[in-house]
Amino acid sequence: AQSVTQLDSHVSVSEGTPVLLRCNYSSSYSPSLFWYVQHPNKGLQLLLKYTSAATLVKGINGFEAEFKKSETSFHLTKPSAHMSDAAEYFCVVPYGGSQGNLIFGKGTKLSVKP
Amino acid sequence: EPEVTQTPSHQVTQMGQEVILRCVPISNHLYFYWYRQILGQKVEFLVSFYNNEISEKSEIFDDQFSVERPDGSNFTLKIRSTKLEDSAMYFCASSVRDSYGYTFGSGTRLTVV
Repeated sequence: AQSVTQLDSHVSVSEGTPVLLRCNYSSSYSPSLFWYVQHPNKGLQLLLKYTSAATLVKGINGFEAEFKKSETSFHLTKPSAHMSDAAEYFCVVPYGGSQGNLIFGKGTKLSVKP
Repeated sequence: EPEVTQTPSHQVTQMGQEVILRCVPISNHLYFYWYRQILGQKVEFLVSFYNNEISEKSEIFDDQFSVERPDGSNFTLKIRSTKLEDSAMYFCASSVRDSYGYTFGSGTRLTVV
């Protein structure tokens, strides 16, 4: 069965500093993986997705994530945080690895200090 | 950019009442889903719907829940007799094919009092 673990429930950074949101996955084979973002009172927006084409995936708003099979990780990074990045971020895997319904991590709340 | 539209954005209902949450998926999408997020908890899968029938449902989706696509554009979630623990944010989503290219709506916050 697929699962994801987000290692931090809350991350706080200063504006202009790098962002690192950690996610580890558990899978018996190479899964598809996604990062979604939820701004306050908004829906879930797809940030980026990994589907085995390239291990470094670039998403919207300057975010990227690297799939590392040896570490079973899919950490989300951004070189320089902006105030508008403050939101909740979810690491997500499809139930069947590449198809099926989505399994969400618990989420990481990102705070950005001025 | 195409959107999934959910109405209402917030609904308050009394325990035991029936409630219908409405969603308009993206027009060329074929798969439809409901997820929910209880405050402070994970987003959880409820049900998926394809070709006018439920294709998969979770343990949460018991006999109190039903889904319908009544007119080819709307996709509804009905809770027959609401309980306090049904209070949550309910997200509708649609996709072109199974689990690919999901688009989520902005959610309906259901409060059962």
